[in-house]
Amino acid sequence: AAGVIQSPRHLIKEKRETATLKCYPIPRHDTVYWYQQGPGQDPQFLISFYEKMQSDKGSIPDRFSAQQFSDYHSELNMSSLELGDSALYFCASSLGRQANTEAFFGQGTRLTVV
Amino acid sequence: AQTVTQSQPEMSVQEAETVTLSCTYDTSESNYYLFWYKQPPSRQMILVIRQEAYKQQNATENRFSVNFQKAAKSFSLKISDSQLGDTAMYFCAFMVYSGAGSYQLTFGKGTKLSVIP
Repeated sequence: AAGVIQSPRHLIKEKRETATLKCYPIPRHDTVYWYQQGPGQDPQFLISFYEKMQSDKGSIPDRFSAQQFSDYHSELNMSSLELGDSALYFCASSLGRQANTEAFFGQGTRLTVV
Repeated sequence: AQTVTQSQPEMSVQEAETVTLSCTYDTSESNYYLFWYKQPPSRQMILVIRQEAYKQQNATENRFSVNFQKAAKSFSLKISDSQLGDTAMYFCAFMVYSGAGSYQLTFGKGTKLSVIP
């Protein structure tokens, strides 16, 4: 069965650079969530989209932006990167209107800022 | 706002024994979903078990079962016949409808489980 695909799996950037993380949800899933997980931390919610519109916003820095495209894939854009942005970034998808919904996670993108 | 509390940062269990991980949550919603996710050293997030709040029957998945106490807002995970592959971080998560077809998913801080041979 198709799963949530994230790319790239690993990314190394220098301070002040820009990074773009991509997420391809499970086919027919209309909701995408982004989470940031620092070393030894629980996943922190960043932002979510439903039907290509932002539906919820968490602790996402102003330096970050995200969008969901017409094919439902999502991109997280991170500018002016800081050392503290080094983390595992998860994307998850779900089917918003389905009653027995659950979130399926991608394998994550490990971002290292040097 | 929804909160999820896992009061046991670390636990250990002997192989083949049973262990229970606790989770409590706070919400004013009446309909929601609860999950246990497992995160092994690979850091992949794997769904272990789920429970719909409107269902009174506790969910079970092979060696994994939950004790869902809605009135007490408690959702513990029992792992029977523990195996070395169960060693991982376990996150309790709460999902609630936030309007316009969208859901909000909140995680606890996690419990690090070590299965000892």
